[in-house]
This record gives sequence, structure tokens and C-alpha cells, in this order.
Amino acid sequence: DGGITQSPKYLFRKEGQNVTLSCEQNLNHDAMYWYRQDPGQGLRLIYYSQIVNDFQKGDIAEGYSVSREKKESFPLTVTSAQKNPTAFYLCASTVTSGGINEQYFGPGTRLTVT
Amino acid sequence: SQKIEQNSEALNIQEGKTATLTCNYTNYSPAYLQWYRQDPGRGPVFLLLIRENEKEKRKERLKVTFDTTLKQSLFHITASQPADSATYLCAGRGDDKIIFGKGTRLHILP
Repeated sequence: DGGITQSPKYLFRKEGQNVTLSCEQNLNHDAMYWYRQDPGQGLRLIYYSQIVNDFQKGDIAEGYSVSREKKESFPLTVTSAQKNPTAFYLCASTVTSGGINEQYFGPGTRLTVT
Repeated sequence: SQKIEQNSEALNIQEGKTATLTCNYTNYSPAYLQWYRQDPGRGPVFLLLIRENEKEKRKERLKVTFDTTLKQSLFHITASQPADSATYLCAGRGDDKIIFGKGTRLHILP
């Protein structure tokens, strides 16, 4: 089955610790994205990568870091600098066809930091 | 800034009726709009796309319209069922990314 996997589904960390969220896709998509979703806030873009070894900051990149060493993998690290890291994190990849981008989302990781 | 706005209030519709959700865009003209469904604790799932030169698009019980004069898209679910209860997200292509609205929670009442 093709798709996007995120692991783990639930993650608990103590304040002050860095944590890395996994995102893998076998759809052969070039572009990948990380979003954060909070109640009543909708999806907010953290980072995105349109090609291997390249990535750009989204709207709320502070306190986060990413890498894109392989086409199929786009891990997100939530650092201790992120002031309010508890949230639902969604990874997505995009296929572009005829100028249209359709996003495929993973199942999400719910991170709780105490 | 480029925005996609959806009614953040929950929408309650009686089963069997048509549910209509609204999406408005401001400060830009998206080449297309997309609608996604999101269930609690899960990632959004793509439903439909409509281009700016298309007035209407249908898929089974779903219908989407695009009005460039009103800067608005309407998303209709006909013969609604309790299984249609979910949050529906509208998204539009921005300069270098897809811009999402906050979503509208739809409750279909049996």
C-alpha cells in the first residue's frame, strides 16, 4: 500500500527535551510538508521541502528543525526552544500534476510535553 | 495576507437534508480550491478540487461551486448521513504553498 506513515501516534516528553517525529512516504512525491494543528487554529505550516537536501521555513518555524536527506523521509525535530510544543503534528506530501497540488496527509502524531 | 476563511461555528444538519459549507478567500485569486475531510485525531483526506474557470464540480453526493465574483466556494453534501459528520477544510493555492482554512465542523443529526 502506498501512503504516508507517521510514528509514533502518541508521544510524551518532558519539558526541555528535544523530540523527533518521523514521517515516511512511499508515494514517490517530491514535496513534503509539516503542519501543526491546534484546536480552533486550523493547519499552520512549519516547514516544507520541495526537493531532497532543500527545505524552507513555513509560517511558524521557530523552535523546529527538519532534514531531507532522502526523498521518502522528512523528520521534524521539536526543540526545547519551542515554547508551546504540545499539539497535533501532521506530515503531508504533494503530487503536482497539470499545475495542481493535491496533498496526501499522514495519520498525525499527537505530542504532549509536560 | 492571503487568507482562506471558513465559518468556525459548528453546523448542525438533520439527516437527509443538504449541508452547505462556505469558504471565502481574501487578498488573492487562487487558481483552484480544494476540499478535505478530517475526522477527529486523523489526517485530512482530499475530497474534491475545483478550478477557477469551473463553476461547479460533482462527485457522488458532493457538489462544489466556485464563484470568482463573490470570492467564494460552496461545498454541498446532499442526502446527508450521520457518517458525514466531520470537519471539512477548504484550501487554496497561495504563492508557494497551499493555504488552509480553519475548517467547519459538521454534525449530521439522526
